[in-house]
Amino acid sequence: RKEVEQDPGPFNVPEGATVAFNCTYSNSASQSFFWYRQDCRKEPKLLMSVYSSGNEDGRFTAQLNRASQYISLLIRDSKLSDSATYLCVVNTDTGRRALTFGSGTRLQVQP
Amino acid sequence: EAQVTQNPRYLITVTGKKLTVTCSQNMNHEYMSWYRQDPGLGLRQIYYSMNVEVTDKGDVPEGYKVSRKEKRNFPLILESPSPNQTSLYFCASRTTPKSYNEQFFGPGTRLTVL
Repeated sequence: RKEVEQDPGPFNVPEGATVAFNCTYSNSASQSFFWYRQDCRKEPKLLMSVYSSGNEDGRFTAQLNRASQYISLLIRDSKLSDSATYLCVVNTDTGRRALTFGSGTRLQVQP
Repeated sequence: EAQVTQNPRYLITVTGKKLTVTCSQNMNHEYMSWYRQDPGLGLRQIYYSMNVEVTDKGDVPEGYKVSRKEKRNFPLILESPSPNQTSLYFCASRTTPKSYNEQFFGPGTRLTVL
């Protein structure tokens, strides 16, 4: 089982739609959670951190469910510029202090 | 401007010809990593460094070497590249090993080994 699993998509949605992505992680000791955005052939960039109480940044809302070990990202009022791959990222509680990246969910927003 | 730089951005080489991909960050970050990204497999950590002169293996270290002689630089060395090392490589850094804050990535190096 992968440490971080995501539905690869693609999710094809019209502009203005609301779309949600889920991600599950296997290490119950994980403490830090993030969503990164990656445009085609570019480097990943931090979209938002995910806090236990849930958090919102404009049109983006992130939720954490520790009991079920999943993280979600909700995008409201999708824009064409939201088209990208969204990476779920979790810390692995090992000596490496590593961040483990999911394979990503691809979103295509259509006019 | 705070950034991570990598060179070269694109490289086509042949099996067995030693190469080095440079990585440099100007943010005084302690923790640096190298990743490779392959379709369907996501980003996998190759090597990491918690500080100067401290490096260790990640998930997929075979065929790679690194060094960390200075805080800002973290080169990736392929002593004898093989076709299965054809991939997109990213260097990344963050403030400290213990702090899981934002991780900054370089622009990537697309390597093809023939």
